Amino acid sequence: GDSVTQMEGPVTLSEEAFLTINCTYTATGYPSLFWYVQYPGEGLQLLLKATKADDKGSNKGFEATYRKETTSFHLEKGSVQVSDSAVYFCALSDLGTSGTYKYIFGTGTRLKVLA
Amino acid sequence: DVKVTQSSRYLVKRTGEKVFLECVQDMDHENMFWYRQDPGLGLRLIYFSYDVKMKEKGDIPEGYSVSREKKERFSLILESASTNQTSMYLCASSFGGTGSYEQYFGPGTRLTVT
Repeated sequence: GDSVTQMEGPVTLSEEAFLTINCTYTATGYPSLFWYVQYPGEGLQLLLKATKADDKGSNKGFEATYRKETTSFHLEKGSVQVSDSAVYFCALSDLGTSGTYKYIFGTGTRLKVLA
Repeated sequence: DVKVTQSSRYLVKRTGEKVFLECVQDMDHENMFWYRQDPGLGLRLIYFSYDVKMKEKGDIPEGYSVSREKKERFSLILESASTNQTSMYLCASSFGGTGSYEQYFGPGTRLTVT
């Protein structure tokens, strides 16, 4: 079945450091890919998405490129800020055998940015 | 702005009680979802609904049921609460039709069963 694997955290960085959070997936169909962010005490919110191969999603300085050949969707940011401290979830949606779309989430990666 | 609201932020119930968690969205979304979030396990889908009165089991439906009588409202019911149902419960909604639409999440309900 479909699955999402993302790197375990926590990831601790100094302010202005470069961030990469790895995400790989397996899917039976042609999925759409998402990154969500969860700040303390809140629900998840969409950070960026990509719906076809080689698409690049971007938002708030974060980027991720849909790589079909390596089944990956790694999240990157050139210079992190303390306010980026949160939990990041990689996710996919794919057509299930019942004819409805399934949404699969990774286990989340906690990022802590130190001033 | 899309808004997904959940009836309670924190809830404490006793073992064996029937528990209702309610979720309301204001964007006319077709799809609604209930997840539970546990440390190290990420989000696990309990049930989802793709239309009024329509529902599908997710990965962990045992011990739960759902109700969707109106498009904007999706209820999660714990028929007889148990301590292993202590968790954070997240509701979400999205447009239907294709899988390219993102989900919008509520703030979550932290349920403790004693």
